Amino acid sequence: EAGVAQSPRYKIIEKRQSVAFWCNPISGHATLYWYQQILGQGPKLLIQFQNNGVVDDSQLPKDRFSAERLKGVDSTLKIQPAKLEDSAVYLCASSFGGTLYNEQFFGPGTRLTVL
Amino acid sequence: KNQVEQSPQSLIILEGKNCTLQCNYTVSPFSNLRWYKQDTGRGPVSLTIMTFSENTKSNGRYTATLDADTKQSSLHITASQLSDSASYICVVSSFTGGGNKLTFGTGTQLKVEL
Repeated sequence: EAGVAQSPRYKIIEKRQSVAFWCNPISGHATLYWYQQILGQGPKLLIQFQNNGVVDDSQLPKDRFSAERLKGVDSTLKIQPAKLEDSAVYLCASSFGGTLYNEQFFGPGTRLTVL
Repeated sequence: KNQVEQSPQSLIILEGKNCTLQCNYTVSPFSNLRWYKQDTGRGPVSLTIMTFSENTKSNGRYTATLDADTKQSSLHITASQLSDSASYICVVSSFTGGGNKLTFGTGTQLKVEL
């Protein structure tokens, strides 16, 4: 079974530039998550999709971050404009459902460096 | 505020030795607790999951314990191997009407040396 795919794996940009990350979840997984993991910290949920609808985006900095999952499969996360503090690993995860025991499977992440 | 605290922050042990990682949580309501292993440059992978009624769960050389009364969990690694070098993250789940919320610890960075 193929895992969660993410691209690019690494990205270096200057502050105020824009960047986009792509995620392809495990086939059949209805729930998709984007996390931000700052070095030395645990992942922080940015946004959760159930199919193509947003379930939770309470911690998404909406003035600069946006995400979409138009057809309920792939998803993109965009940052515009980027700040220095956005330097982090952005993890995408998916699960079969959003319920109690559904394990989240994580992708390898995209490491973003903002200079 | 829901919180998960892990200790130690980092640990270095010799190959073949055992070690125990700790996790204390203040998450309410509690649904389940998972330990994840995160290799450098990779996403976290689930090792064990425990619900309120379970107090121990094993996965090979990994054994997790849960004391729901004191809100503590531990992950014991037996006969460590070089491949155990990774970050181990404790994650507590809280399931409410708003859905399943995960609270992540900051992880314990384990290094196994020859």
